[in-house]
Amino acid sequence: AQRVTQPEKLLSVFKGAPVELKCNYSYSGSPELFWYVQYSRQRLQLLLRHISRESIKGFTADLNKGETSFHLKKPFAQEEDSAMYYCALRTAGGTSYGKLTFGQGTILTVHP
Amino acid sequence: DTAVSQTPKYLVTQMGNDKSIKCEQNLGHDTMYWYKQDSKKFLKIMFSYNNKELIINETVPNRFSPKSPDKAHLNLHINSLELGDSAVYFCASSTSVTRSSYNEQFFGPGTRLTVL
Repeated sequence: AQRVTQPEKLLSVFKGAPVELKCNYSYSGSPELFWYVQYSRQRLQLLLRHISRESIKGFTADLNKGETSFHLKKPFAQEEDSAMYYCALRTAGGTSYGKLTFGQGTILTVHP
Repeated sequence: DTAVSQTPKYLVTQMGNDKSIKCEQNLGHDTMYWYKQDSKKFLKIMFSYNNKELIINETVPNRFSPKSPDKAHLNLHINSLELGDSAVYFCASSTSVTRSSYNEQFFGPGTRLTVL
């Protein structure tokens, strides 16, 4: 069975500092990885996905199959980045039916 | 023009009661989901329907019964509520998962259920 682990429940940084939210996964097949974000008083929304290899709001994430990781990084954190971040894995193909397995979430706080 | 909506937003009830949470999406999506977020913010899928057909049914007590009257609606009915059912329940929708293509899930605002 697939599993997603986010080892840090809380992460605090100062504005302008680099930030890295860790995500490790366990899955025997070929995974699809995502980062979802929930800002205060807003609904959960997609931030980025590994297959698009895009940078959203300055965030990037690279899938490392060797280390089974999908860490989220931003070189200069902003106060508006403060939110709950979830790493999620979707099993690709077969009868997975788009099931997303979420990590435990990391609350990022960016201090001024 | 809300994409995925849920009612009610808050639900406070006594143990043993039966309650329903409604979800509607106007995105034209074929697939809908219910997730449970517990007190530790852990988010876990409960059910998924594709074109009104149940396709994901995780290990959830039989007291939970999803119902999809049409593609745009997926309701969650909970019988004999227990203290441990207190959580935030999120509905989500996406394009059809059977097309084997990436399908972003769009989430509702959540329903905070408190069982006393």
